[in-house]
Amino acid sequence: EAGVAQSPRYKIIEKRQSVAFWCNPISGHATLYWYQQILGQGPKLLIQFQNNGVVDDSQLPKDRFSAERLKGVDSTLKIQPAKLEDSAVYLCASSTPRGQGPLGNTIYFGEGSWLTVV
Amino acid sequence: ELKVEQNPLFLSMQEGKNYTIYCNYSTTSDRLYWYRQDPGKSLESLFVLLSNGAVKQEGRLMASLDTKARLSTLHITAAVHDLSATYFCAVFQGAQKLVFGQGTRLTINP
Repeated sequence: EAGVAQSPRYKIIEKRQSVAFWCNPISGHATLYWYQQILGQGPKLLIQFQNNGVVDDSQLPKDRFSAERLKGVDSTLKIQPAKLEDSAVYLCASSTPRGQGPLGNTIYFGEGSWLTVV
Repeated sequence: ELKVEQNPLFLSMQEGKNYTIYCNYSTTSDRLYWYRQDPGKSLESLFVLLSNGAVKQEGRLMASLDTKARLSTLHITAAVHDLSATYFCAVFQGAQKLVFGQGTRLTINP
């Protein structure tokens, strides 16, 4: 079974530029998450989708970050304009709805997109 | 707001020794996860603990959950170098928001 796919894996941009990250979740997974992981810290949830609706975006800096999940499958996370403090790994994850079988409680993470803002 | 705290944050140990990583959380939750992360890699799911008293074991790692104490432990038995990594616990807040601890960076020396 294919895992969560993310691209690009690495990106270096200058501050005030824009960047977009793409995520393709595991087939059939209705729930999709974007996490931000700053070096040396635990991942922080930015936004969570259930199908193509937003469940939680309380920690998404909406003045510069945006995310969408069209058709309830792929998702894109955009940062515009980027700041130095946005340098981090952006992790996409997916899961089946809670309680759906033994794997319905497992959240699978992609390899991450590493962003450096200079 | 759910807070998840791990200790220790850094752990250096010798091969063959036993040690425990602790994960405390501040509000009631019915699901707790342990993940492993190698440098430059993503998160690998180790355990999902769903109920009070749950205990799961995989090789030299054993995880347990005490929901009344809001405490989970990850016990390492007879550590080997391959277990060197950063270990995260994560707890659900509400329906499906997963909140992570700071991580425990484990180094196992030969």
